[in-house]
Amino acid sequence: DAGVIQSPRHEVTEMGQEVTLRCKPISGHDYLFWYRQTMMRGLELLIYFNNNVPIDDSGMPEDRFSAKMPNASFSTLKIQPSEPRDSAVYFCASKRGQASEAFFGQGTRLTVV
Amino acid sequence: AQSVTQLGSHVSVSEGALVLLRCNYSSSVPPYLFWYVQYPNQGLQLLLKYTSAATLVKGINGFEAEFKKSETSFHLTKPSAHMSDAAEYFCAVSFSGNTGKLIFGQGTTLQVKP
Repeated sequence: DAGVIQSPRHEVTEMGQEVTLRCKPISGHDYLFWYRQTMMRGLELLIYFNNNVPIDDSGMPEDRFSAKMPNASFSTLKIQPSEPRDSAVYFCASKRGQASEAFFGQGTRLTVV
Repeated sequence: AQSVTQLGSHVSVSEGALVLLRCNYSSSVPPYLFWYVQYPNQGLQLLLKYTSAATLVKGINGFEAEFKKSETSFHLTKPSAHMSDAAEYFCAVSFSGNTGKLIFGQGTTLQVKP
């Protein structure tokens, strides 16, 4: 398997623009997580899905953030409108079952100017 | 509330010295515990995991961790540090009965001095 695939790897956008981050989980995995990593706050869980259904979105910082998982092989994280404080590395991870480890993608480095 | 705490955001050791990175969790239900490593500009890689089998868990690159229920701890150790161990290390917890939610500690940056 190719692992968790995220795109794009880097994104630079202007404040106010819409940003969409994409994730393809490992085939057969039933959990998908979105995390945000910054120097100040470390690795924060934004939202996670089980069998394509959002289970906990309490980490989503504001209504500007939304996430979808239309099928088992694709998820998006959208920020609209983007702000400079959204600049961070966003990771997607997937796993199979409650007790297993999660596998991470390479991340998307987002810079909002 | 269920949480995970890593004591010490930065740890510095000399090459060949013992590495000890600390992790404590707070939970009333049995946890699943993990240690991950992150090298610069990369994603997180699993080092080892505890899922209620043996309390002493061996991982990759010579690392191991011991689950101590009485101390609610899962500290990571390596007998002899190598320069290539310099990275950021994360402890993570998934609490059984919590629908698979996986949360991470704040991370510990390990510096290895020659």
